[in-house]
Amino acid sequence: DGGITQSPKYLFRKEGQNVTLSCEQNLNHDAMYWYRQDPGQGLRLIYYSQIVNDFQKGDIAEGYSVSREKKESFPLTVTSAQKNPTAFYLCASSIEGAGNQPQHFGDGTRLSIL
Amino acid sequence: RKEVEQDPGPFNVPEGATVAFNCTYSNSASQSFFWYRQDCRKEPKLLMSVYSSGNEDGRFTAQLNRASQYISLLIRDSKLSDSATYLCVVKGNAGNMLTFGGGTRLMVKP
Repeated sequence: DGGITQSPKYLFRKEGQNVTLSCEQNLNHDAMYWYRQDPGQGLRLIYYSQIVNDFQKGDIAEGYSVSREKKESFPLTVTSAQKNPTAFYLCASSIEGAGNQPQHFGDGTRLSIL
Repeated sequence: RKEVEQDPGPFNVPEGATVAFNCTYSNSASQSFFWYRQDCRKEPKLLMSVYSSGNEDGRFTAQLNRASQYISLLIRDSKLSDSATYLCVVKGNAGNMLTFGGGTRLMVKP
């Protein structure tokens, strides 16, 4: 089945540690996105990539890094510089280009601090 | 002012009721509009796109008022399974960036 797969579902981070969240899609979508959602709040954009080997900062990129070496994959690293990493992280993808193209989401990764 | 604003609710309604949510957006150049549904501790899922002339999908009706910059979602004959948070989502005029409202929580009671 086509879709977006995020792993792991739950992740714990120790102080000073970098952790990487995986996002893979087999929808042949050009664009991929990472969002963060805090309890009771909307989604905030961390990074996005409209094409392989290119990505742009979103609204809250500080303390995060990404790569886009393959069309299917857009991993997110939460670095030790991100002082408040506890949140629900959502990866999404969409067909790129103009028009009424919605984004489709993976089922998320919950990150907590140990 | 937030780019996309929604009443967080919760809206508590009995089964069978009709309920409506509004959402306002600040960017007059916004091009596309969507309603997503998010269940507790799950990912958002696309409920419906919102078209300029308004559109209906079963019990759900979406309307767009560009002059007043608001979008609405009407749910008729509410079911228990409609209980969720409804996210208003707006796409700007560049790229495919989406801006999410904070969501409106709906609780349908027996």
